[in-house]
Amino acid sequence: KAGVTQTPRYLIKTRGQQVTLSCSPISGHRSVSWYQQTPGQGLQFLFEYFSETQRNKGNFPGRFSGRQFSNSRSEMNVSTLELGDSALYLCASSLARWTNTEAFFGQGTRLTVV
Amino acid sequence: DAKTTQPPSMDCAEGRAANLPCNHSTISGNEYVYWYRQIHSQGPQYIIHGLKNNETNEMASLIITEDRKSSTLILPHATLRDTAVYYCIVRERSNDYKLSFGAGTTVTVRA
Repeated sequence: KAGVTQTPRYLIKTRGQQVTLSCSPISGHRSVSWYQQTPGQGLQFLFEYFSETQRNKGNFPGRFSGRQFSNSRSEMNVSTLELGDSALYLCASSLARWTNTEAFFGQGTRLTVV
Repeated sequence: DAKTTQPPSMDCAEGRAANLPCNHSTISGNEYVYWYRQIHSQGPQYIIHGLKNNETNEMASLIITEDRKSSTLILPHATLRDTAVYYCIVRERSNDYKLSFGAGTTVTVRA
């Protein structure tokens, strides 16, 4: 079956702009989580959506937001971009929210803010 | 958030088994241990997970100690393509089952 699909793969934006990233989970998966990865901070949890509701949020400013649609596809938005937002943004999908559930990651969106 | 301890790096010879240790002394009875790996600039790849019994799949074996305070991921015949950062994660109820990534172990497989 198809894996987790993230679009676009690469993006260049200017400071102050906003950006929307998309994630299509594996068919049947209802949980979608987002992560930011930078060389200095590693993989950091942004938020998780399950059944169209945000269930968990990491320590990121309000400029980072997301949503999930009824088909489980998810988008995340970053407004008023800063240079420090340059990172690899990863999406992971899971069948459910529980300890015994594998999560599968997409290839990520590489965002560069100039 | 990460409640696991891994060595920062290790080398392995191609064709030999790679044994990656992980300590998770605060793990609770019903929490699973997961292993992921990340090859440079790609998304993390799921390897294996387990509760208390040893597990094996086409990629690796997972050995969990009887007290569940530590585990070892075994790559039976390491290849150059296994060079990656390996993450050991406990999906904790207290952390709302988030996958919290630590620094991981950078494994370098040498020819």
